[in-house]
Amino acid sequence: TQLLEQSPQFLSIQEGENLTVYCNSSSVFSSLQWYRQEPGEGPVLLVTVVTGGEVKKLKRLTFQFGDARKDSSLHITAAQPGDTGLYLCAGVNNDMRFGAGTRLTVKP
Amino acid sequence: GAVVSQHPSRVICKSGTSVKIECRSLDFQATTMFWYRQFPKKSLMLMATSNEGSKATYEQGVEKDKFLINHASLTLSTLTVTSAHPEDSSFYICSAKAGTAYGYTFGSGTRLTVV
Repeated sequence: TQLLEQSPQFLSIQEGENLTVYCNSSSVFSSLQWYRQEPGEGPVLLVTVVTGGEVKKLKRLTFQFGDARKDSSLHITAAQPGDTGLYLCAGVNNDMRFGAGTRLTVKP
Repeated sequence: GAVVSQHPSRVICKSGTSVKIECRSLDFQATTMFWYRQFPKKSLMLMATSNEGSKATYEQGVEKDKFLINHASLTLSTLTVTSAHPEDSSFYICSAKAGTAYGYTFGSGTRLTVV
């Protein structure tokens, strides 16, 4: 059972389109992290959000932490084929638990 | 930055044998380490949390006698898959917490195949 509901699980879009990935939970987290993982490798941290309502931008990626610190979103603007990969959200308290992941494919 | 070295990266073993996976923090002391399991095209599932010098805490449904975790020092945690079976084949990843609020670092993972 995963504490974090991540959606969508699969997403296939054309280059240049925008997309949003959602991560929701009934639990409050001290922080929430977003990772990207390539096949056969460990996840790589993209961002950590800590404060309710916080918004962080990383180039074309925008991350938001819900006011109640129970949910988060990842928005990608003008997606590129290089954005293809598995995106994971992870809620942090005394441990770290992951959402189901979103497998993104960006077609040229 | 904090680096976690995980070995081996790939291992193939026969059914019934045991396999040990090591996770080392190279430039920091890891008071807590986490072990995850990942099936193909799935997310990471937390298996257990290990704290240096004490027994590991296992998640519900994870057999502690099958997945032995030892965290004997501040830089090393090991996961031993005992009496491995084909259904144990998976990608295992460790993560270390350096003691800071947000300092989680992942190993590169171990692909275990049991034949």
